[in-house]
This record gives sequence, structure tokens and C-alpha cells, in this order.
Amino acid sequence: ETGVTQSPTHLIKTRGQQVTLRCSSQSGHNTVSWYQQALGQGPQFIFQYYREEENGRGNFPPRFSGLQFPNYSSELNVNALELDDSALYLCASSPGTSETQYFGPGTRLLVL
Amino acid sequence: ILNVEQSPQSLHVQEGDSTNFTCSFPSSNFYALHWYRWETAKSPEALFVMTLNGDEKKKGRISATLNTKEGYSYLYIKGSQPEDSATYLCAFASGGTSYGKLTFGQGTILTVHP
Repeated sequence: ETGVTQSPTHLIKTRGQQVTLRCSSQSGHNTVSWYQQALGQGPQFIFQYYREEENGRGNFPPRFSGLQFPNYSSELNVNALELDDSALYLCASSPGTSETQYFGPGTRLLVL
Repeated sequence: ILNVEQSPQSLHVQEGDSTNFTCSFPSSNFYALHWYRWETAKSPEALFVMTLNGDEKKKGRISATLNTKEGYSYLYIKGSQPEDSATYLCAFASGGTSYGKLTFGQGTILTVHP
């Protein structure tokens, strides 16, 4: 077990809605990264937060946003959901920005 | 756009066979190469983080090598067991301001038959 948890495990939304996914990092890990894994592909980097500030972003539109809190929890928010947002969303925490990343089990999002 | 390629996409072996897979990555601006094992319904598990050209790492029956000059890493499993069945992912971390970002390959799905 990595000590990283995510909620919910599964979620169904309709196009145009908004969703919030949650992640609880290992204690002491001040960095959290979020990834999207579409079917048949490797995880794709969405963004990283370090000490509550965004520290790098992948090729995702602004409707993907995040927050990191002092209690080692974080959120991924997606507005105006599209069908292509259906995927597994993974969060990963690490003690620093370039260390080994410890992954949660993911949240599977289905957009209808 | 960084390109990380893994081969083969999938592999079926018999228990006791040894096997290996390849990860290819850009040879410029290298910072680190990560290997993960991902079993169904579980979290990806970190196997190795490799940073130096010529690095060799070992964990039980699994080992990995790294060639940063030519941009490839091999993962070896000796005497495969059914519990080794999983997806094996490699991820490239580049230097500079994006060193926290991992670019993943699509994975190699290993199935070990008893």
C-alpha cells in the first residue's frame, strides 16, 4: 500500500457538469501530481502542486484546475465535462518535486 | 512533445521463464527514468528510479538497466511467477523546470501462465 487514497472510486457525470475528485497524500509529502489515463494509454500529466502552489502543468485546458491544502489533501476540479474526459484519474504524492511518486488507486470517471 | 515508447505492448510467458521489456525515451535533457508495476485494481507501485547512465538496479527477481546516451532502459524479470502478472510502466522525467513531470509510456502488459 502506498498510503495515498482517492475518492470516490467511481463516478458517473453528464456532459457539461462539473466534478471534484479528492486525494489524500502520505503525511509529510508536500508535492502532489495528477494524471489522466485514457483507455489503452499511459497516464498523462495534468499538473503538479508543491506547497499549495501549481508547479507545472501538462497540455490540459484551464477547465482542469486543482487545489492543495495544508493537511496533505488535494482536489482536481473539472468544469464543463466533455465525453473525452472519461478516464481514470490518478493522484501521486512525493516528498519533493523530483522524488519517487506514490500513487493512489485512482478515480474512474465516466461522462455520458 | 516527449515520446516514451515501450515494447512489447503485451507479453505472455510461462511460469519460470525469464523475460525483458524495453523503454525508449529522449536522450536529451534527461533527469530520471522511473519504472512502475501496476496490478489490476491496485495502485501503481514504484520499482526503480534511475538517474545515472549505466545504472543497474535490482529488487528480488526484477532488475533494470539504463542507457541515457542512447535513450533506453531494459526491465528484466528472472523466473517469472504468476504474481508478476501486471502492467509495467516506465516514465521519463526531464530536467529544467519540468523535472517534476513524468511522461509515461503506454505500458507492457505481462501475463505469466502457471
